[in-house]
Amino acid sequence: NAGVTQTPKFQVLKTGQSMTLQCAQDMNHNSMYWYRQDPGMGLRLIYYSASEGTTDKGEVPNGYNVSRLNKREFSLRLESAAPSQTSVYFCASSTPGGGADTQYFGPGTRLTVL
Amino acid sequence: GEDVEQSLFLSVREGDSSVINCTYTDSSSTYLYWYKQEPGAGLQLLTYIFSNMDMKQDQRLTVLLNKKDKHLSLRIADTQTGDSAIYFCAESIRYGNNRLAFGKGNQVVVIP
Repeated sequence: NAGVTQTPKFQVLKTGQSMTLQCAQDMNHNSMYWYRQDPGMGLRLIYYSASEGTTDKGEVPNGYNVSRLNKREFSLRLESAAPSQTSVYFCASSTPGGGADTQYFGPGTRLTVL
Repeated sequence: GEDVEQSLFLSVREGDSSVINCTYTDSSSTYLYWYKQEPGAGLQLLTYIFSNMDMKQDQRLTVLLNKKDKHLSLRIADTQTGDSAIYFCAESIRYGNNRLAFGKGNQVVVIP
């Protein structure tokens, strides 16, 4: 199993450009998440999807949109990138309910907005 | 609401024990977790503890949970250079659809 994969690994954008970060998992997990990680801030939840067909806002959703395309894939879109969105973005998925909510993380996408 | 606090930096000599601390606010959390992040990588689950337990040992890792004080700690015995990383504690959020609240992380540097 590849686990959680993310593309691209690195991206540089100019202010106002748009892009989509891709995430896929092959573990048959119901729930998927997008986080951003900034120095000294830990991980902050942007959006999550508890199951296929549903999405909900996290702590910092402004400036982002998401699509849960199917059970495997959960994409994050920046419609008009801003320098404040320079960050490392992590996608995660979690085991079905009933036990510890173990989240499995992808390797991250390092985004710089100039 | 949920809020998880961690100190920021710890240096430790190879072979010594290291202890990382964390406080949390949601007393209804069912599970508490420790994740490890190596440079340039994503987070990797190290261990977790169920909220009705006081202690869990897993090889070189010992997790202690003090529910009264909402305090969680991770002890790493015989610390090795490969343990250099950022360590995050996290708590499960009640009714949060499998959501977790993460602390800001604690960087551990192991000195050879």
